[in-house]
Amino acid sequence: EDKVVQSPLSLVVHEGDTVTLNCSYEVTNFRSLLWYKQEKKAPTFLFMLTSSGIEKKSGRLSSILDKKELSSILNITATQTGDSAIYLCVLHRGATNKLIFGTGTLLAVQP
Amino acid sequence: DSGVTQTPKHLITATGQRVTLRCSPRSGDLSVYWYQQSLDQGLQFLIQYYNGEERAKGNILERFSAQQFPDLHSELNLSSLELGDSALYFCASSVGLAGNNEQFFGPGTRLTVL
Repeated sequence: EDKVVQSPLSLVVHEGDTVTLNCSYEVTNFRSLLWYKQEKKAPTFLFMLTSSGIEKKSGRLSSILDKKELSSILNITATQTGDSAIYLCVLHRGATNKLIFGTGTLLAVQP
Repeated sequence: DSGVTQTPKHLITATGQRVTLRCSPRSGDLSVYWYQQSLDQGLQFLIQYYNGEERAKGNILERFSAQQFPDLHSELNLSSLELGDSALYFCASSVGLAGNNEQFFGPGTRLTVL
């Protein structure tokens, strides 16, 4: 059965800290892994990863995929209160075009 | 503002009833996706339409159905509603066919079944 597991479930940090969020998966016919940020309402797209070992960066956020370990990490450096959100890891199955969501990691950044 | 609109914003109904949720994608986007987000299940992919045709199916119940119209707006119909159907229903749109295209989410419709 396909599954996506994110850890930790939640974490609280202070502004300026660096955090690492983990996503592990078991999925047949892997096509890509996506990260989304969900604040009060709708998720917003962060990254799409298809190749192992290639880091994607956007400002203070970066992410990398390890297909051998069936996992991905999302790093946020110099955290700000605006980074407080739920971070969702999503697997895309190629054959069926199906999307499988993890339960998310709740990040709270305190001033 | 993602450019995706959903109506209504909030819906309260009773068990056994039927409701229709509406979504208008961003201009130019051909794919529409529907998601259900409940407290205990997280975000669940329900179904995708591309240019009027069903493209992918997720964890959608038989009591639920969707369609995409020629003007590309989509409707999600939920029937024989149960308490457990109470959730936030998101619609998202993307330009392309593949599910891993960047998706833009609407603000969601909150459904409360009493």
